[in-house]
Amino acid sequence: SQQGEEDPQALSIQEGENATMNCSYKTSINNLQWYRQNSGRGLVHLILIRSNEREKHSGRLRVTLDTSKKSSSLLITASRAADTASYFCATVNSGGYQKVTFGTGTKLQVIP
Amino acid sequence: EAGVAQSPRYKIIEKRQSVAFWCNPISGHATLYWYQQILGQGPKLLIQFQNNGVVDDSQLPKDRFSAERLKGVDSTLKIQPAKLEDSAVYLCASSLDGGEQETQYFGPGTRLLVL
Repeated sequence: SQQGEEDPQALSIQEGENATMNCSYKTSINNLQWYRQNSGRGLVHLILIRSNEREKHSGRLRVTLDTSKKSSSLLITASRAADTASYFCATVNSGGYQKVTFGTGTKLQVIP
Repeated sequence: EAGVAQSPRYKIIEKRQSVAFWCNPISGHATLYWYQQILGQGPKLLIQFQNNGVVDDSQLPKDRFSAERLKGVDSTLKIQPAKLEDSAVYLCASSLDGGEQETQYFGPGTRLLVL
């Protein structure tokens, strides 16, 4: 079953613009991760935010987490054509081992 | 450092046939995962190994799917007999020891088409 629901399902922007994707989930989590998938490089881990963190940055990526609303957002600033990919949020439940549940994904197209 | 290796990259079979996929994780990684990704969806965990023991196989359709990880390194995933709805990309991933805050590293996947 899919835990996370991403919104929007698809997003098309011009190069240089910012892209924001949202993820909502249903159960309590240990952490939330974002992954990128494109045909060239497969599924790649981008960033992890712990349940006690509210915001995290990595390069042009900014992730927020609101555990009270069970939601997260991924912001990509100054987008590039190379950012064209599908982005998935993945929740990790507490339980002693890493059980990752992926969301449905947002397909991002960055137009040069 | 070599990444996660998978083979074959593509496979076409007819329904009711059997098929096997192979995965070699990153050297030293104790945890290995198999995911099924149907077109347009996110990956779904099928089975998770810690060394050569199964940690979670709750979403593995055990009537037709089986997996093993002999000697705690390489792993094979088998489908017998295949159904049309098994058409998907099968992804293998590994992590150092399966801790909740670890990064998973994914292989390129095997794309299966069942006709």
